[in-house]
Amino acid sequence: GNSVTQMEGPVTLSEEAFLTINCTYTATGYPSLFWYVQYPGEGLQLLLKATKADDKGSNKGFEATYRKETTSFHLEKGSVQVSDSAVYFCALSTAGNNRKLIWGLGTSLAVNP
Amino acid sequence: GAGVSQSPSNKVTEKGKDVELRCDPISGHTALYWYRQSLGQGLEFLIYFQGNSAPDKSGLPSDRFSAERTGGSVSTLTIQRTQQEDSAVYLCASRGPGTQGGEQYFGPGTRLTVT
Repeated sequence: GNSVTQMEGPVTLSEEAFLTINCTYTATGYPSLFWYVQYPGEGLQLLLKATKADDKGSNKGFEATYRKETTSFHLEKGSVQVSDSAVYFCALSTAGNNRKLIWGLGTSLAVNP
Repeated sequence: GAGVSQSPSNKVTEKGKDVELRCDPISGHTALYWYRQSLGQGLEFLIYFQGNSAPDKSGLPSDRFSAERTGGSVSTLTIQRTQQEDSAVYLCASRGPGTQGGEQYFGPGTRLTVT
């Protein structure tokens, strides 16, 4: 079945540090891949997406590249800010599965000034 | 509306009582999903509605859970005879037609506490 594995947190970084959160997946067919973010006290927001191999999703300085050969979709940001402190979720969906989202467990990121 | 709305935002109920949670999707979005977010289980799919098609109920954890979507818009998730393990945040999401890649937009959730 379809599944998503993402690195466990919590991750603690200093402001302006480089961020990588690893995400790998198992899927039947050709999934779409997503990163969602949940800021403290807020709901889930779509951060970025990629719909086919080698696509790069980007938003707010975050990037992730759909790597079919390694079944990965790692999230990166070159210089994190305190305001990036949140929980990040990797997810996938497939057309053959009603596009229901299959989620990783989430990675908590704390950025210190 | 501008986004997905859910009500109530918080609900505290006694074990054994029934609860109803409401979701109002983004106008024009034909697909609607319910998920549950709990500490022990992470995010789990519950049920999916698409237009007039039969819903995909494959994620409902027991027959105490049911949902309906009236008129292709508002949805209600009902939990009968609530148990403490039902305590979680219940999230609703909608997806528009022709959305490339199928991204979903989430409401703020209903935090359910069963005492």
